[in-house]
Amino acid sequence: DSGVTQTPKHLITATGQRVTLRCSPRSGDLSVYWYQQSLDQGLQFLIQYYNGEERAKGNILERFSAQQFPDLHSELNLSSLELGDSALYFCASSLSAGEPSYGYTFGSGTRLTVV
Amino acid sequence: AQKITQTQPGMFVQEKEAVTLDCTYDTSDPSYGLFWYKQPSSGEMIFLIYQGSYDQQNATEGRYSLNFQKARKSANLVISASQLGDSAMYFCAMREPNTGNQFYFGTGTSLTVIP
Repeated sequence: DSGVTQTPKHLITATGQRVTLRCSPRSGDLSVYWYQQSLDQGLQFLIQYYNGEERAKGNILERFSAQQFPDLHSELNLSSLELGDSALYFCASSLSAGEPSYGYTFGSGTRLTVV
Repeated sequence: AQKITQTQPGMFVQEKEAVTLDCTYDTSDPSYGLFWYKQPSSGEMIFLIYQGSYDQQNATEGRYSLNFQKARKSANLVISASQLGDSAMYFCAMREPNTGNQFYFGTGTSLTVIP
């Protein structure tokens, strides 16, 4: 167990629907990152939060949004789902947002299948 | 330009032999971190090894070592005494403080250990 908890582990939903993925960071970590891993795009950075505030944005679609709550857990909301959104969504956490030496701890991922 | 390049989509190695997985990176930032992650078929991302841009010596973690050649901008992973459980996808990644410390991942190398 890495200490980063992602729920649910698997999700199957229909096109056009909306889902919420949840992430609880490792105890003490303030920074949360969301990544999407798909066969054609590889591992893509979506968004980062640090202590409740958005810190960096990557290739996140407008249909997607995220937030980090006061207890530091984070949610990734995906709406108007398309078949191409099927992917493995990872959450990762780290203590710091500003030091390159601080590695990530990854959660086990949520596998989203859009049918 | 790609930040991280992994040119070996797939590699095979005999059990108990050593194998080198290639990684080159591109950055103009003097401070950065280089990482290798392992992703077995179960999907989780497992941290293997870290090398800081200012580190003088190559990083080692058990059977893993990182061959860091700064002038060539390469950070190859060496796995010694390969085991069947080493069969997995391996990702090289980089963090830069000037880009929000998101990870840039390579496309990965699929390693198969042959008994």
